[in-house]
Amino acid sequence: QVQLVESGGGVVQPGRSLRLSCAASGFMFSNYGMHWIRQAPGKGLEWVAVMFSDGSNKFYGHSVRGRFTISRDNSKNTLYLQMNSLRVEDTAVYYCARDYCGGDCYKFDPWGQGTLVTVSS
Amino acid sequence: QSVLTQPPSASGTPGQRVSISCSGGSSNIETNSVSWYKQLPGTAPKILIHSNDQRPSGVPDRFSGSKSGTSASLAISGLQSEDEADYYCAVWDDSLIGPRFGTGTTVTVL
Repeated sequence: QVQLVESGGGVVQPGRSLRLSCAASGFMFSNYGMHWIRQAPGKGLEWVAVMFSDGSNKFYGHSVRGRFTISRDNSKNTLYLQMNSLRVEDTAVYYCARDYCGGDCYKFDPWGQGTLVTVSS
Repeated sequence: QSVLTQPPSASGTPGQRVSISCSGGSSNIETNSVSWYKQLPGTAPKILIHSNDQRPSGVPDRFSGSKSGTSASLAISGLQSEDEADYYCAVWDDSLIGPRFGTGTTVTVL
């Protein structure tokens, strides 16, 4: 079955960096756009970034633009999120999610279980 | 309106019908299709409705979506205990140039 498993979360100081990974299985990873979406503790959902299936295009939410970089390795069925210059307000559970339509319809399903990033001094 | 506003909470007894609204504006709901997601406590969200009123396979027909103008709604009929969850609407926002999620609604089964 389709499975997405995030890893790489943890506690990091403000200004430092962290890289998240999302391992995909059960589907043809290279055929799908992939997203990162986050949820601050007790708060709602915020879209973070998307990378299209062939890696040709990537887009970011305004709050992370210039600090975060999304990438993917289709040979390893893995999505990444490089997070630099982290801020306290980046503290959240980070989910990876497959684009529901395959391309860029910006509907999300399925989602991984999430990985918690805590930015604190 | 750039924010997608949902009521913070909704409730009903088993078997009742509950409706959740999602109020937006001309840059989002009025011109783009709406999706709905269900998030059980401590778990990841799951898609319930896409393209305003389309249910993915496996989603019970107790769930239905609609859209009119700058607002959308999710209705849950025949409310069950397993429907206790947070529900979010989502839609592409032309002014944000990205997808926007609603503020979320917690449904409680009394």
